[in-house]
Amino acid sequence: DIQMTQSPSSLSASIGDRVIITCRASQSISTYLSWYQQKPGKTPKLLIHAASSLQSGVPSRFSGSGSGTDFTLTISSLQVEDFATYYCQQSWSIPLTFGGGTKVEIK
Amino acid sequence: QVQLQESGPGLVKPSQTLSLTCTVSGGTISSGSYYWSWIRQPAGKGLEWIGRIYTSGNTNYNPSLRSRVTISLDTSKNQFSLKLSSVTASDTAVYYCARYSSSFDPWGQGTLVTVSS
Repeated sequence: DIQMTQSPSSLSASIGDRVIITCRASQSISTYLSWYQQKPGKTPKLLIHAASSLQSGVPSRFSGSGSGTDFTLTISSLQVEDFATYYCQQSWSIPLTFGGGTKVEIK
Repeated sequence: QVQLQESGPGLVKPSQTLSLTCTVSGGTISSGSYYWSWIRQPAGKGLEWIGRIYTSGNTNYNPSLRSRVTISLDTSKNQFSLKLSSVTASDTAVYYCARYSSSFDPWGQGTLVTVSS
């Protein structure tokens, strides 16, 4: 199985901050990487697919980058509605696996 | 736009079989190059992929659950289903269905299944 490791597991940030979340795969996954946002009690929402492609309707302050084993999700200017947990997920091989999540909290 | 909705019992007894159905609306389950997937999330924890079924009926399962999981497709009802046998308390989770191509989108709203006597 490909292990997906996210860091940090949680962070505190202020409105307007630039936030960077990293995701590392245990082996190369090319750009077969997606990012999801999940708010408490809600369904995960797709933000980024193919490592850097913004899903339709997602604000442009979200961006993704990386290939191989190292990936980042960047929120350029944190908004109140961005406080949530973020997950990465690899689509390179079965079983499909998710990172452990990064909880973004208000400072 | 395509929408998914899970349904099934919210309480299952230990050693029994968990059965859930996902109804797809706004699109035909047999059209397009999609997999139809199940994912679960224990309370306060992360996401675990359970398995998927292609429109052809081909399936892939998480090896950690493979011996207990069956996913099937009912194109006449535009539904797909999950059966998880011999459940224990560790199978208590919110279960989501989702459409998959290279990412999971969209998702159903999720349904909580509790395993308890």
